[in-house]
Amino acid sequence: EIVLTQSPGTLSLSPGERATLSCRASQSVTSTYLAWYQQRPGQAPRLLIYAASRRAPGIPDRFSGSGSGTDFTLTISRLEPEDFAVYFCQQYDSSRTFGQGTKVEIK
Amino acid sequence: EVQLVESGGGLVKPGGSLRLSCVASGFTFHTYTLNWVRQAPGKGLEWVSSVSSSGSVIYYADSLEGRFTISRDNAKNSLFLQMNSLRAEDTAVYYCARADWRSGDAFDIWGQGTVVTVSS
Repeated sequence: EIVLTQSPGTLSLSPGERATLSCRASQSVTSTYLAWYQQRPGQAPRLLIYAASRRAPGIPDRFSGSGSGTDFTLTISRLEPEDFAVYFCQQYDSSRTFGQGTKVEIK
Repeated sequence: EVQLVESGGGLVKPGGSLRLSCVASGFTFHTYTLNWVRQAPGKGLEWVSSVSSSGSVIYYADSLEGRFTISRDNAKNSLFLQMNSLRAEDTAVYYCARADWRSGDAFDIWGQGTVVTVSS
């Protein structure tokens, strides 16, 4: 099973700041099969990024994804109030697994 | 509107059974792979199972140890999860999620979830 490790566990930032979230895989993941999701409190997850770097329909361009192999990054260029949430990476290359999540909280 | 709506959750005793349902609307149900994903209280997401568009290809998370069965009824736009021999650690919100082949099978549509509580 491919294990995804996200860091940091919690990111404390202010609105307008840049957020950089990391997702590291225990073995190489084909970029086509790496996604990022956002989950706000009390809500279902929402797809942000698929294929490591492609934004899902309706996702603002302040969200971007990058990376390959075992190291992937989600960047939020300028945090808006609605971006404070938990973010999960997911691989669907070999079975499907999620990272444990990174919480982006207001500093 | 593209939508998934889960139902069937509730309180069940350890060792009991429960059948979850997920009804789809707003898209061509029979052309998509569907998944169940769960989230224990205060925890992360755990993929549970997937079923192909025709129902012929099914996968399960190893952690389930054969206790859960996924199925679908394309005529009724419905997805199911039969859960047997339930344990306290199965307590979670259970989501159904659509895998979009256009995004390599990322989960693009999610239901609102149904709560399963396993407790005596």
